[in-house]
Formats: sequence, C-alpha cells, structure tokens
Amino acid sequence: SQQGEEDPQALSIQEGENATMNCSYKTSINNLQWYRQNSGRGLVHLILIRSNEREKHSGRLRVTLDTSKKSSSLLITASRAADTASYFCATHGSHYGTSGSRLTFGEGTQLTVNP
Amino acid sequence: EAGVTQFPSHSVIEKGQTVTLRCDPISGHDNLYWYRRVMGKEIKFLLHFVKESKQDESGMPNNRFLAERTGGTYSTLKVQPAELEDSGVYFCASSQGWGSNQPQHFGDGTRLSIL
Repeated sequence: SQQGEEDPQALSIQEGENATMNCSYKTSINNLQWYRQNSGRGLVHLILIRSNEREKHSGRLRVTLDTSKKSSSLLITASRAADTASYFCATHGSHYGTSGSRLTFGEGTQLTVNP
Repeated sequence: EAGVTQFPSHSVIEKGQTVTLRCDPISGHDNLYWYRRVMGKEIKFLLHFVKESKQDESGMPNNRFLAERTGGTYSTLKVQPAELEDSGVYFCASSQGWGSNQPQHFGDGTRLSIL
C-alpha cells in the first residue's frame, strides 16, 4: 500500500453539507499538506499542517493531524458546488537532505457537491 | 504574480518518438520539481532542482527521461524514446525556499498520450 492513502475514494454530498476526507501515511513526516485539483487543472495548495500541530483552520477548511495514528482529516464545511474536485493529501518527509524535499501523494478523494 | 506554466498542455505522439515538456516556474523560485501521474495511480515524484542543480533525481523511472534546467530558470523534461507506459500527466511545481514548510505551487500539467 502507498504512503498517503485517502478515504473515501469518492464522496458525493449536497450543497451545504460538510465533507470529511481522511488520509493515512506510513513514515515520519515534517508536515502534511492538502491539495485540490479541478478537472484538467493543476494542484492548488490548500493548507499545510506541521507535525507538531494538531489542528489548523483556513476559511471553511479544517485539518487535523494525529501523528500517533499517522492520519489526517480534511473537513470542508458548508460545501458549495464549486468545491467539486479531487482532493489529495501529501506528506513531506522528515529526512532533511536529498529526499527531504519531495511530496508523497495519496491517490485522492473525488468530491462531488450537488447543487 | 504569474503561476507555474507548463507547455504543451497536451501532447500526443507515437511510441518511439521524442517529446520535450517545458516548465516555467514562478519567478524567483529556486526549487523546481517534476511529478507525474500515470493512469489510475498516485502522483509520483520524479526529481528536484535547486537552481540548475539536480538535488534529487531518485524518482526518475529510467534513462529514457532527461531533465535539464540550464541557467536555473525554466526546465525541460525529455522522453526519448517514448513508451506506452509513459502516458500520463506530468506536473511541474516550484517553491521559493528550501525546506519542508514551503508549499509547492503546481502548474496545470502536460497530458502526454503515447499511441
């Protein structure tokens, strides 16, 4: 299995509802980041949470990190149709040096918000 | 501020041909990264430049792939000769500084189709 596994793979909700996506990883990390990808577009950085942080907010986004369980969750509150996209978690390793710069991605969650 | 730009957005070539992808990072970003997503799989790291130097190229799949960043500005990724399994989306990203807490900013990707 891969570093950075998201679940669910697909999530369909109604506008106004909250969406929760989870991510698990395997190795020690410096931080965990969440990205959004709209169809045919690049990855947009949403939020970064450091390994010594437990929760972080940005607008309608709330990210939690549990390093003991090697897991993170992304909550989008009051979802909108425009939130429809793929969401990826990516981990940044704790090994400074040649491999310390890369991001390791999960397979993503496809979120559909129905109007 | 202009974002990361990639060219072309889409390339269709036959097996055995050569293709060159280009990435222009955000101005002033010393760090440039290449990633790719092949069909049905997660986004995977290919390599990392710091200015014109290859900091980490451990993700390059084989010697058919050659990345350059002469002058430390834009980068090219050449695939020669292309094989069917090279089909996928190739993303470029850049970040301002070294270090794990610098978000990486992604381009829209080049969709490569090998026939």
